[in-house]
Amino acid sequence: QSVLTQPPSASGTPGQRVTISCSGSSSNIGSNTVNWYQQLPGTAPKLLIYSNNQRPSGVPDRFSGSKSGTSASLAISGLQSEDEADYYCAAWDDSLNGPEVVFGGGTKLTVL
Amino acid sequence: QVTLKESGPVLVKPTETLTLTCTVSGFSLSNARMGVSWIRQPPGKALEWLAHIFSNDEKSYSTSLKSRLTISKDTSKSQVVLTMTNMDPVDTATYYCARIRGSNSNYDYWGQGTLVTVSS
Repeated sequence: QSVLTQPPSASGTPGQRVTISCSGSSSNIGSNTVNWYQQLPGTAPKLLIYSNNQRPSGVPDRFSGSKSGTSASLAISGLQSEDEADYYCAAWDDSLNGPEVVFGGGTKLTVL
Repeated sequence: QVTLKESGPVLVKPTETLTLTCTVSGFSLSNARMGVSWIRQPPGKALEWLAHIFSNDEKSYSTSLKSRLTISKDTSKSQVVLTMTNMDPVDTATYYCARIRGSNSNYDYWGQGTLVTVSS
C-alpha cells in the first residue's frame, strides 16, 4: 500500500482535459514539493512535473501540476493518444528514520 | 549525455543476497549534492523507493527494508552498488537506479531498469 494515494485509473477522449489527484500527509506533500512521473508501457519512468508545477524542458505545456496543503494534482489538457500511460506522484517524506521518497500507487490513464 | 545503467543477476534463489550495480556516465558522483537512488517496481505494481546515496556519502534507506539493504558508491568507477539480503519471491521486480540532485529534489534521469526474478 503506497504512502501517497492516487486513483487507480482515469480516462478521457482526445482533446479533453483530465486531472489526476495525489493525496498525502503533513510529513510529505504538506512540507515538501511534489514531482510527477510518466511511465509509458514497457519503459522507465520519466520526469513530467517537478517542484509542484515546473515542467522540464521538452514536456508540452499541456501538462500542468498544482499543490494545495497535503494534496496535489496533475492536469492534462488537449488529451492525446500518446498520453496513455501510468502516472505517479512522488514526494520526500520527513520520516523519523531519515528522509525517504514516497510514491503514489500510480494512475493508469486510458485515452478512449 | 547523462546515462545510468543497471546490471546484476536476472535470477536469484530465495534467501540469497542480491547485488546490483548502477554505472553512471555524463556526470560525476562527486559533484556537489549529486545522488543516486534505487527504486523498484514489481510486475504490474507501483514504484517503491529503496535507498539513496549522495556525493557526501549521506545515505538513507526505506524504513520497511532498512535491515536488508546496503548502498555504497565507488566514485572512481562511477558506480553505485545496492545489496539486498535474504531475497524472497515477493522481491521479484524491475530495479531502477535514478539520478537526484540534492534532497527534496527529483529524479531527472533513470536507467532502463533490470528485471530480477526470485525463484528456486
